[in-house]
Amino acid sequence: ETGVTQSPTHLIKTRGQQVTLRCSSQSGHNTVSWYQQALGQGPQFIFQYYREEENGRGNFPPRFSGLQFPNYSSELNVNALELDDSALYLCASSLSGGAGEQFFGPGTRLTVL
Amino acid sequence: GNSVTQMEGPVTLSEEAFLTINCTYTATGYPSLFWYVQYPGEGLQLLLKATKADDKGSNKGFEATYRKETTSFHLEKGSVQVSDSAVYFCARSAGGTSYGKLTFGQGTILTVHP
Repeated sequence: ETGVTQSPTHLIKTRGQQVTLRCSSQSGHNTVSWYQQALGQGPQFIFQYYREEENGRGNFPPRFSGLQFPNYSSELNVNALELDDSALYLCASSLSGGAGEQFFGPGTRLTVL
Repeated sequence: GNSVTQMEGPVTLSEEAFLTINCTYTATGYPSLFWYVQYPGEGLQLLLKATKADDKGSNKGFEATYRKETTSFHLEKGSVQVSDSAVYFCARSAGGTSYGKLTFGQGTILTVHP
Protein backbone atom coordinates (compact mmCIF):
# COMPACT_ATOMS: atom_id res chain seq x y z
CA GLU A 1 0.00 0.00 0.00
CA THR A 2 1.46 3.33 -1.10
CA GLY A 3 1.14 6.26 1.29
CA VAL A 4 0.44 9.89 0.48
CA THR A 5 3.16 11.50 -1.63
CA GLN A 6 3.75 15.17 -2.40
CA SER A 7 5.92 17.05 -4.84
CA PRO A 8 8.08 18.98 -4.86
CA THR A 9 9.69 18.70 -1.43
CA HIS A 10 10.92 22.28 -1.38
CA LEU A 11 10.16 25.29 -3.54
CA ILE A 12 11.37 28.87 -3.63
CA LYS A 13 9.32 31.55 -5.39
CA THR A 14 9.19 35.33 -5.46
CA ARG A 15 6.27 37.60 -4.65
CA GLY A 16 3.65 37.76 -7.38
CA GLN A 17 4.55 34.41 -8.92
CA GLN A 18 2.25 31.41 -9.18
CA VAL A 19 2.90 27.92 -7.81
CA THR A 20 1.42 24.43 -8.25
CA LEU A 21 1.84 21.74 -5.62
CA ARG A 22 0.95 18.10 -6.25
CA CYS A 23 -0.37 15.28 -4.13
CA SER A 24 -1.02 11.59 -4.75
CA SER A 25 -3.51 10.10 -2.34
CA GLN A 26 -3.14 6.81 -0.52
CA SER A 27 -4.39 3.83 -2.48
CA GLY A 28 -8.17 3.52 -2.22
CA HIS A 29 -8.73 6.99 -0.75
CA ASN A 30 -11.14 9.25 -2.66
CA THR A 31 -10.88 12.42 -0.59
CA VAL A 32 -8.00 14.88 -0.47
CA SER A 33 -7.61 17.79 1.93
CA TRP A 34 -4.99 20.54 1.86
CA TYR A 35 -3.59 22.35 4.88
CA GLN A 36 -1.21 25.25 5.37
CA GLN A 37 1.16 25.04 8.34
CA ALA A 38 3.02 28.24 9.16
CA LEU A 39 6.18 27.93 11.22
CA GLY A 40 5.37 27.12 14.84
CA GLN A 41 1.64 26.80 14.22
CA GLY A 42 -0.88 24.05 13.74
CA PRO A 43 -2.11 23.21 10.23
CA GLN A 44 -4.95 25.36 8.88
CA PHE A 45 -7.56 23.80 6.60
CA ILE A 46 -7.52 25.23 3.06
CA PHE A 47 -10.05 23.04 1.23
CA GLN A 48 -11.11 19.48 0.58
CA TYR A 49 -11.85 17.63 -2.66
CA TYR A 50 -14.17 14.69 -3.01
CA ARG A 51 -15.01 13.10 -6.36
CA GLU A 52 -13.31 15.95 -8.21
CA GLU A 53 -15.47 18.62 -6.56
CA GLU A 54 -14.55 21.09 -3.83
CA ASN A 55 -16.20 19.85 -0.65
CA GLY A 56 -15.65 22.71 1.77
CA ARG A 57 -13.21 25.54 2.12
CA GLY A 58 -11.44 27.25 4.98
CA ASN A 59 -10.71 30.93 5.40
CA PHE A 60 -8.39 31.34 2.43
CA PRO A 61 -8.73 33.82 -0.47
CA PRO A 62 -9.74 32.75 -4.01
CA ARG A 63 -6.14 32.90 -5.21
CA PHE A 64 -5.84 29.53 -3.47
CA SER A 65 -7.46 27.02 -5.83
CA GLY A 66 -7.34 23.31 -6.42
CA LEU A 67 -8.15 20.37 -8.61
CA GLN A 68 -8.79 16.70 -8.11
CA PHE A 69 -8.28 14.23 -10.93
CA PRO A 70 -10.15 10.98 -11.71
CA ASN A 71 -7.36 8.98 -10.07
CA TYR A 72 -7.97 11.10 -6.89
CA SER A 73 -4.63 12.86 -7.07
CA SER A 74 -4.81 16.60 -6.47
CA GLU A 75 -3.16 19.94 -7.13
CA LEU A 76 -3.03 23.10 -5.06
CA ASN A 77 -2.49 26.31 -7.01
CA VAL A 78 -1.61 29.62 -5.45
CA ASN A 79 -1.61 32.79 -7.56
CA ALA A 80 -0.05 36.17 -6.81
CA LEU A 81 2.18 34.78 -4.07
CA GLU A 82 2.67 36.86 -0.93
CA LEU A 83 5.42 36.63 1.67
CA ASP A 84 2.92 35.24 4.20
CA ASP A 85 2.28 32.27 1.93
CA SER A 86 5.63 30.88 3.05
CA ALA A 87 4.69 27.68 4.91
CA LEU A 88 4.60 23.90 4.85
CA TYR A 89 1.72 22.71 2.68
CA LEU A 90 0.29 19.38 3.74
CA CYS A 91 -1.91 17.09 1.75
CA ALA A 92 -4.03 14.47 3.48
CA SER A 93 -6.13 11.69 2.02
CA SER A 94 -9.05 9.82 3.51
CA LEU A 95 -12.08 7.74 2.76
CA SER A 96 -15.30 9.70 2.70
CA GLY A 97 -16.65 7.42 5.39
CA GLY A 98 -13.45 7.21 7.45
CA ALA A 99 -14.67 8.98 10.59
CA GLY A 100 -12.34 11.86 9.83
CA GLU A 101 -9.12 9.85 9.92
CA GLN A 102 -6.70 11.49 7.52
CA PHE A 103 -3.32 10.29 6.36
CA PHE A 104 -0.80 13.02 5.73
CA GLY A 105 1.97 13.36 3.23
CA PRO A 106 5.41 14.76 4.14
CA GLY A 107 4.51 18.22 2.85
CA THR A 108 5.95 20.78 0.48
CA ARG A 109 7.99 23.60 2.02
CA LEU A 110 7.24 26.81 0.10
CA THR A 111 9.41 29.86 0.61
CA VAL A 112 8.31 33.17 -0.92
CA LEU A 113 11.01 35.82 -1.22
CA GLY B 1 -16.89 28.02 15.16
CA ASN B 2 -14.84 24.95 15.92
CA SER B 3 -11.61 25.40 17.84
CA VAL B 4 -9.02 23.41 19.76
CA THR B 5 -6.84 24.74 22.56
CA GLN B 6 -3.68 23.02 23.71
CA MET B 7 -1.50 23.74 26.69
CA GLU B 8 1.37 25.99 25.79
CA GLY B 9 4.80 24.50 25.54
CA PRO B 10 7.48 23.71 25.21
CA VAL B 11 7.45 20.77 27.60
CA THR B 12 10.80 19.39 28.75
CA LEU B 13 10.97 16.10 30.65
CA SER B 14 13.50 13.55 31.75
CA GLU B 15 13.30 10.03 30.38
CA GLU B 16 10.72 7.85 32.22
CA ALA B 17 8.79 10.88 33.49
CA PHE B 18 5.00 11.11 33.27
CA LEU B 19 3.56 13.19 30.44
CA THR B 20 0.31 15.12 30.25
CA ILE B 21 -0.55 17.50 27.42
CA ASN B 22 -3.89 19.21 27.91
CA CYS B 23 -6.36 19.72 25.08
CA THR B 24 -9.85 21.20 25.10
CA TYR B 25 -12.25 21.63 22.19
CA THR B 26 -15.42 23.54 21.40
CA ALA B 27 -18.49 21.43 21.95
CA THR B 28 -20.25 21.94 18.60
CA GLY B 29 -21.63 18.93 16.81
CA TYR B 30 -20.37 15.40 17.42
CA PRO B 31 -16.68 15.54 16.53
CA SER B 32 -14.10 12.84 16.45
CA LEU B 33 -10.93 13.74 18.34
CA PHE B 34 -7.34 13.03 17.40
CA TRP B 35 -3.76 13.35 18.50
CA TYR B 36 -1.19 13.72 15.74
CA VAL B 37 2.59 13.72 16.15
CA GLN B 38 5.11 15.50 13.94
CA TYR B 39 8.75 14.53 14.05
CA PRO B 40 11.37 17.02 12.81
CA GLY B 41 11.19 17.51 9.04
CA GLU B 42 8.24 15.18 8.60
CA GLY B 43 4.50 15.38 8.03
CA LEU B 44 1.85 14.49 10.59
CA GLN B 45 1.29 10.96 11.83
CA LEU B 46 -1.90 9.88 13.55
CA LEU B 47 -1.07 8.84 17.10
CA LEU B 48 -4.54 7.96 18.39
CA LYS B 49 -8.20 8.82 18.00
CA ALA B 50 -11.58 8.61 19.72
CA THR B 51 -14.88 8.92 17.90
CA LYS B 52 -17.41 9.30 20.71
CA ALA B 53 -17.75 10.30 24.34
CA ASP B 54 -15.93 8.09 26.89
CA ASP B 55 -13.89 6.37 24.17
CA LYS B 56 -10.23 5.92 25.03
CA GLY B 57 -7.69 6.06 22.24
CA SER B 58 -4.31 4.42 22.83
CA ASN B 59 -1.14 3.73 20.91
CA LYS B 60 2.57 3.26 21.73
CA GLY B 61 1.90 3.81 25.43
CA PHE B 62 0.01 7.06 24.84
CA GLU B 63 -3.63 7.39 25.93
CA ALA B 64 -6.38 9.99 25.71
CA THR B 65 -10.03 9.81 26.81
CA TYR B 66 -12.86 11.69 25.09
CA ARG B 67 -14.49 13.65 27.94
CA LYS B 68 -17.68 15.31 26.76
CA GLU B 69 -18.53 16.77 30.17
CA THR B 70 -15.26 18.72 30.28
CA THR B 71 -14.77 19.00 26.49
CA SER B 72 -11.27 17.63 26.92
CA PHE B 73 -8.98 15.08 25.29
CA HIS B 74 -5.78 15.18 27.32
CA LEU B 75 -2.80 13.14 26.13
CA GLU B 76 -0.94 11.04 28.71
CA LYS B 77 1.98 8.65 28.82
CA GLY B 78 3.29 6.98 31.91
CA SER B 79 6.97 6.84 30.98
CA VAL B 80 8.35 8.94 28.13
CA GLN B 81 11.39 8.07 26.05
CA VAL B 82 13.89 10.26 24.23
CA SER B 83 12.35 9.03 20.95
CA ASP B 84 9.02 10.65 21.96
CA SER B 85 10.55 14.09 21.38
CA ALA B 86 8.34 15.71 18.75
CA VAL B 87 5.51 18.19 18.28
CA TYR B 88 2.07 16.95 19.33
CA PHE B 89 -1.16 18.31 17.85
CA CYS B 90 -4.66 17.84 19.17
CA ALA B 91 -7.38 18.02 16.51
CA ARG B 92 -11.12 17.70 16.11
CA SER B 93 -13.18 16.85 13.09
CA ALA B 94 -16.00 19.10 11.99
CA GLY B 95 -18.60 16.47 12.72
CA GLY B 96 -21.60 15.45 10.64
CA THR B 97 -21.04 15.04 6.90
CA SER B 98 -17.96 17.26 6.98
CA TYR B 99 -16.05 15.19 9.50
CA GLY B 100 -13.06 14.99 7.19
CA LYS B 101 -12.05 18.58 7.88
CA LEU B 102 -9.78 18.90 10.86
CA THR B 103 -9.22 21.82 13.19
CA PHE B 104 -5.85 21.68 14.94
CA GLY B 105 -4.49 23.15 18.11
CA GLN B 106 -1.31 25.18 17.97
CA GLY B 107 0.92 22.23 18.87
CA THR B 108 3.03 21.37 21.92
CA ILE B 109 6.76 20.80 21.58
CA LEU B 110 7.96 17.92 23.74
CA THR B 111 11.65 17.41 24.47
CA VAL B 112 12.76 14.38 26.47
CA HIS B 113 16.29 14.30 27.89
CA PRO B 114 18.17 11.09 28.78
